[in-house]
Amino acid sequence: QVQLVESGGGVVQFGRSLRLSCVASGFTFSGYAMHWIRQAPGKGLEWVTVISHDASYSHSRDSVKGRFTITRDNSKNTLYLQMNSLRADDSAVYYCVGSSNNYFDYWGRGTLVTVSS
Amino acid sequence: DIQMTQSPSSLSASVGDRVTITCRASQNIANSLNWYQQRPGRAPKLLIYAASSLQGGVPPRFSGSGSGTDFTLTINSLEPDDFATYYCQQDYSPQPYTFGQGTMLEI
Repeated sequence: QVQLVESGGGVVQFGRSLRLSCVASGFTFSGYAMHWIRQAPGKGLEWVTVISHDASYSHSRDSVKGRFTITRDNSKNTLYLQMNSLRADDSAVYYCVGSSNNYFDYWGRGTLVTVSS
Repeated sequence: DIQMTQSPSSLSASVGDRVTITCRASQNIANSLNWYQQRPGRAPKLLIYAASSLQGGVPPRFSGSGSGTDFTLTINSLEPDDFATYYCQQDYSPQPYTFGQGTMLEI
């Protein structure tokens, strides 16, 4: 049974940092590209960033470039998202998502990040 | 960025109905179009990939069609669990991947 369990969300002040983690099980983590996708309260889905299966490649949407860093540890089946210089519009549920092709096969339940002033 | 536009934004239907949701891309994306279902308070779930391929475990009352810029998701014989929000997503140009704004299917 595939499981993706995110953690690390919470309330953080504007301009501060937060690190999200996602532990994967039930599939071959090292064979999947991994993404973070977010959803602001009551809003739609927004892709944030991706890392290749072997961590050789990553890219992010423009609004988080230079602030967010995606990494992974295949020995621990764990994905990370380091978020710095947080802004109000970063407030959202952050989903950890696995993809074998360019579509999003496996989703975690999400972790809520709230940026307060 | 490739813009994805869904219509309608919301839709009312009844159990047993057939509904169609459309998704239009701002440029040709071939068949690089996927559909997701999101029930309230839950994570999204992949339904259809590559415009018309049914993800494993998804009931055959769901179907997708289209290519180029215009796509449809059709749900036959609606069941209570189908009342949810549906999103299209393009993977033709992954920088960035983009979603439609969602279609809320309500009773």
